[in-house]
Amino acid sequence: GAGVSQTPSNKVTEKGKYVELRCDPISGHTALYWYRQSLGQGPEFLIYFQGTGAADDSGLPNDRFFAVRPEGSVSTLKIQRTERGDSAVYLCASSALAGGSPGELFFGEGSRLTVL
Amino acid sequence: RKEVEQDPGPFNVPEGATVAFNCTYSNSASQSFFWYRQDCRKEPKLLMSVYSSGNEDGRFTAQLNRASQYISLLIRDSKLSDSATYLCAVILLDTGRRALTFGSGTRLQVQP
Repeated sequence: GAGVSQTPSNKVTEKGKYVELRCDPISGHTALYWYRQSLGQGPEFLIYFQGTGAADDSGLPNDRFFAVRPEGSVSTLKIQRTERGDSAVYLCASSALAGGSPGELFFGEGSRLTVL
Repeated sequence: RKEVEQDPGPFNVPEGATVAFNCTYSNSASQSFFWYRQDCRKEPKLLMSVYSSGNEDGRFTAQLNRASQYISLLIRDSKLSDSATYLCAVILLDTGRRALTFGSGTRLQVQP
């Protein structure tokens, strides 16, 4: 389809394991965002890419979280040594506007991560 | 105080009612305001942008009050299909964050 694609849709892992979540944005969108959302809360900002570079990673909670976008398209969010508190829906969004205001964000359906 | 605050609700209203939600934000220099809609277990989708002069889209009206630092969303003639969580989103200039900050959402339940 033409929307933002995220895989896996569901991931169950054990505490301490490593996890990768993938996002394929809308073709041609230069801006890519990662958010996470817990039950009853709004999306919480993690990191924003403009092209290949992380323009703002101020939302990453600690150094266990890392994200890359090597070719300016697909992005991978990597979580090391997962903890139960990492359980959430991880949302990826893309936007057509470069720099400044994000305009309309197009979200993927999310990757639901459960850490046992 | 949270950077972007919303009453979580739920707002339970009958079909045809008019309902309004507010969203307060912490920084007076904020710009770029939006309302998103999120259905249960689905991704957020843009409902409307909020302009300084206020704007209307069918049954939906969004307004910005910079002096009191809040935005509002008014829904007229509520439909069952309006039942969802409504998220406000703001660019908070004082944080240096170049991405939207979302509120926790207000849940609306329209009843027959």
